[in-house]
Amino acid sequence: QVQLVESGGGVVQPGRSLRLSCAASGFTFSSYGMHWVRQAPGKGLEWVAVISYDGSKKYYADSVEGRFSISRDNSKNTLYLQMNSLRTEDTGVYYCAKAPTPVTTGYFDYWGQGTLVTVSS
Amino acid sequence: DIQMTQSPSSLSASVGDRVTITCQASQDISNYLNWYQQKPGKAPKVLIYDASNLETGVPSRFSGSGSGTDFTFTISSLQPEDIATYYCQQYDNLPLTFGGGTKVEIK
Repeated sequence: QVQLVESGGGVVQPGRSLRLSCAASGFTFSSYGMHWVRQAPGKGLEWVAVISYDGSKKYYADSVEGRFSISRDNSKNTLYLQMNSLRTEDTGVYYCAKAPTPVTTGYFDYWGQGTLVTVSS
Repeated sequence: DIQMTQSPSSLSASVGDRVTITCQASQDISNYLNWYQQKPGKAPKVLIYDASNLETGVPSRFSGSGSGTDFTFTISSLQPEDIATYYCQQYDNLPLTFGGGTKVEIK
């Protein structure tokens, strides 16, 4: 069965960096686009970034463009989100989510359990 | 960016009631619209994709309709396990955007 397990969350000061990981299993990771979606405490869902199946295409929300970087290692079945220059408004649960196709759009057919990032001084 | 306006933001209904949620896009998105259910403390789960297609394994009491800018999500007979927040999401254009959510409670 498909499993997505995020890790790397924690408490970090504003301006610092953090790298999230998402370990995938139960499907051919290298064949599908992958996303990061976040949710601030008590708020709705916000799409953050997407990467195509082969890593050749990457897109970001305006709110994280230039600060966050999405990447993947298909040999390790792992998705990453490098988060730099963190702000208090980046606080929330970060989910990795699988796309049902190799491309960068569509919907999210499987989600991880999420990892909490808290940006606070 | 495409804005998704979802209504109502919350509702209270009795078990067995028919529940309807609407989602309006700020521009034509054809049928590139999905619906998710999120229970407290859990990750979202896709229920409907491409406006009206039921995801495998999802009960048939859930349905979706619409195209262009106006979409509807319906629970034909509300069950206690349907207590959750529901979100619409468009994928016509990047950035992918969600509606603000509808919290469904039991009366």
